[in-house]
Amino acid sequence: AQSVTQLDSQVPVFEEAPVELRCNYSSSVSVYLFWYVQYPNQGLQLLLKYLSGSTLVKGINGFEAEFNKSQTSFHLRKPSVHISDTAEYFCAVTPNAGKSTFGDGTTLTVKP
Amino acid sequence: DADVTQTPRNRITKTGKRIMLECSQTKGHDRMYWYRQDPGLGLRLIYYSFDVKDINKGEISDGYSVSRQAQAKFSLSLESAIPNQTALYFCATSDPRQSYTDTQYFGPGTRLTVL
Repeated sequence: AQSVTQLDSQVPVFEEAPVELRCNYSSSVSVYLFWYVQYPNQGLQLLLKYLSGSTLVKGINGFEAEFNKSQTSFHLRKPSVHISDTAEYFCAVTPNAGKSTFGDGTTLTVKP
Repeated sequence: DADVTQTPRNRITKTGKRIMLECSQTKGHDRMYWYRQDPGLGLRLIYYSFDVKDINKGEISDGYSVSRQAQAKFSLSLESAIPNQTALYFCATSDPRQSYTDTQYFGPGTRLTVL
C-alpha cells in the first residue's frame, strides 16, 4: 500500500514570488508520481508526472517538480507565480499499472 | 467536446431520495472511478472499475452503489440520500495500456446537495 502527505493545506503567496508545494510519499514498491491541478469550478487535470529518468520534471504553465528517492519526496515548484495559478494542487502516487492514491490537496492562493 | 462528461452538473435533493449520477467517456479507457471531494479531505475513492465486468469498492463505498453499463458508462447511485453525502463528485478514467501509468482524466464534477 502507498500513502501521500501534502505538508501544507494552504499556501498564500504574492504574485511573481516563487512557490514550493511539498509532497512526501511512502510505498513498499516502486511508484510513479503525479501532480494534478484543479482550477476553481473545474475537474482535476494533469500538471506533470515522473515515470523514470531525470529527476527534474517539467510540466505545464511553468511548473516543475523534483523526485527525491532518498527523501521520498516530489515537491512542486514555480519560480514566479501568477494570479491565474490560484488553484488546488494534488499530489498522487501510483504503483506500476495499479490505481492512484491522492494527497489531501494544497490550496495555492496568489495575491496581487 | 469533453472526453469525460458528467450529468447532472448540479443537483439539489432531499433526504431519503434516490439519486443517480452518470458518467460517460469517449477516451476508450477501460478503467473508471468515482471520487467525492470534501473541503480539507481531498479526494476519496468511492468505487472503481477496471473493466465492464469488474467493480471494486473504494475507501468510502457505504451508502453508494455503481453500475458499469458499458465501457464508456459508469453510474453512481445513492439509494437513500443523506445530508452528509453533500459533496462534489468526480468521475475519472484511465488506461495504463495507453499511457504506461494510471494517469487519470477527470470529468467536470457534479455538485450534490442533500437537504
